[in-house]
Amino acid sequence: NAGVTQTPKFRILKIGQSMTLQCAQDMNHNYMYWYRQDPGMGLKLIYYSVGAGITDKGEVPNGYNVSRSTTEDFPLRLELAAPSQTSVYFCASSYGLKAYEQYFGPGTRLTVT
Amino acid sequence: KNEVEQSPQNLTAQEGEFITINCSYSVGISALHWLQQHPGGGIVSLFMLSSGKKKHGRLIATINIQEKHSSLHITASHPRDSAVYICAVRPDYGQNFVFGPGTRLSVLP
Repeated sequence: NAGVTQTPKFRILKIGQSMTLQCAQDMNHNYMYWYRQDPGMGLKLIYYSVGAGITDKGEVPNGYNVSRSTTEDFPLRLELAAPSQTSVYFCASSYGLKAYEQYFGPGTRLTVT
Repeated sequence: KNEVEQSPQNLTAQEGEFITINCSYSVGISALHWLQQHPGGGIVSLFMLSSGKKKHGRLIATINIQEKHSSLHITASHPRDSAVYICAVRPDYGQNFVFGPGTRLSVLP
């Protein structure tokens, strides 16, 4: 199993540009998550999904959109990038809630200038 | 006040030392997750706890639900243990994890 994969690993965007961060998992997990990690701060949840076709906002959803058309894929869309979106983005998945651990992708380092 | 706090923020140890990292939280929880973030950035799961104690190799995690506190211990520390250790809790009121700021550990040879 590849686990959770993310592309790209690094990206530099200009203010106002848009991009999609890709995330895929091959573990047949129902639950998928997008987090951002800012220096010295804990991971913050952007969006999550409990299954194909179902998504919901997390703690910091503004400026982002997601879709979940298949169990495997959970792309994160940034529209009109802003410097405040400079961060490291992690995708994660889990089989279920409660006692189920999360598996993380390698992260995407995004810089908006 | 953050819901999840970790101490210390930074820790430097000599190889072979016994290490303790602490996590305190302020809400009722259904699970607590310890994670390790490598210097390259990757995050891996170490333990998921809801009560008691778990051990895996040189790592031991304990949780005291009444005191709202968990500890991660590393015995016979090694430079390869150098990483950021993250505590996350799943509050009773929600379904998603809340993450602590992490403890940066450096183990010197």
